Amino acid sequence: TQLLEQSPQFLSIQEGENLTVYCNSSSVFSSLQWYRQEPGEGPVLLVTVVTGGEVKKLKRLTFQFGDARKDSSLHITAAQPGDTGLYLCAGAMTGTASKLTFGTGTRLQVTL
Amino acid sequence: DSGVTQTPKHLITATGQRVTLRCSPRSGDLSVYWYQQSLDQGLQFLIQYYNGEERAKGNILERFSAQQFPDLHSELNLSSLELGDSALYFCASSVQPGLAGTGELFFGEGSRLTVL
Repeated sequence: TQLLEQSPQFLSIQEGENLTVYCNSSSVFSSLQWYRQEPGEGPVLLVTVVTGGEVKKLKRLTFQFGDARKDSSLHITAAQPGDTGLYLCAGAMTGTASKLTFGTGTRLQVTL
Repeated sequence: DSGVTQTPKHLITATGQRVTLRCSPRSGDLSVYWYQQSLDQGLQFLIQYYNGEERAKGNILERFSAQQFPDLHSELNLSSLELGDSALYFCASSVQPGLAGTGELFFGEGSRLTVL
């Protein structure tokens, strides 16, 4: 059973479009991270959110942690081909901080 | 370049065989994590070591074992291999023993295992 469900699973959009990826769970997380993975490489950390309701921006990417710390979203404005990749959310649960649980992943393709 | 080195990058073997995957963490990182990534299961946590000691265990099969050596490199041993063990195996390292707060994982490029 996946603790973290991401939607959509696949997304193919054109350059310049906006998109939102969702990461949902019924469990509470002490912190939540977003990673991006490109083909042939390991995931790379984009951001960590730790406070319910927290919003963080990284250039055209906006990350939000849900008020109850059970869900998160990633919004990309004016997507570019360089944004193409697999986006993974990952949560650390209180009391099991060593174990980072990864979401099911969202594969994004941005075309010209 | 994350600073985490994994070898081999690719490995093809037969069912029933045994393989060893190796990981060198970033300089200064004491924690090593092993993850398995397959198409149908996503990225699954296997096991974590911190400064030579097992720290946390995830969905690791009994046929799999790992260890972390005094120089902090780690090895993941996979035995009695089955077709379903075909996957990408990632090693990641971090400074801290846990990931609470803003702990970050640095991933290697992975070892792709194909079992025929």
